[in-house]
Amino acid sequence: AQSVTQLGSHVSVSEGALVLLRCNYSSSVPPYLFWYVQYPNQGLQLLLKYTSAATLVKGINGFEAEFKKSETSFHLTKPSAHMSDAAEYFCAVSGGGSTLGRLYFGRGTQLTVWP
Amino acid sequence: GAGVSQTPSNKVTEKGKYVELRCDPISGHTALYWYRQSLGQGPEFLIYFQGTGAADDSGLPNDRFFAVRPEGSVSTLKIQRTERGDSAVYLCASSLQPGQTSTGELFFGEGSRLTVL
Repeated sequence: AQSVTQLGSHVSVSEGALVLLRCNYSSSVPPYLFWYVQYPNQGLQLLLKYTSAATLVKGINGFEAEFKKSETSFHLTKPSAHMSDAAEYFCAVSGGGSTLGRLYFGRGTQLTVWP
Repeated sequence: GAGVSQTPSNKVTEKGKYVELRCDPISGHTALYWYRQSLGQGPEFLIYFQGTGAADDSGLPNDRFFAVRPEGSVSTLKIQRTERGDSAVYLCASSLQPGQTSTGELFFGEGSRLTVL
């Protein structure tokens, strides 16, 4: 079975500060891991994904995440926050193969960016 | 259109009524998914179609929920005898066939917000 825990339902940072959104996963098979972003009144948009290739994954808008098997983590980071990064972020895991699209999402982290 | 289209964007209904929610996936995407997002929660899987058939419907909460995709494109999620607990945003997503040409990216629609009074 797969599950995801996102630590912190709300994160606030100042513009220009480091963004760190935490995600820990549980999976009985080698996981595929995803971060999605949801802007107000919009659909979920893929930020980045880990599919068993490089452990450091770069995504859109300057975000990246590192897969750490020993820590069962896939934390999302961005060196310098921008006002436009304010949104809700979801971490998700799937088991791959034929179940690739069945994602198990965390509860989400709302990111606020202060000027 | 270029993206996943869902209608209606908002639906308010009374307890006990029947509701249909429609999803038009990205052209050429054979896989279609329905998820449900309750307030303060992440999306929860409901059902997955590969072509016309439901490949995995284990996420449907009970037999009041049913979904079809008769021609392998548009899908309809049907909810009978709605209850207040069914209030949520229902998300549809599509992708290329998982495991082969796809690396798991789902393209989500903006959702249909269902409110049951």
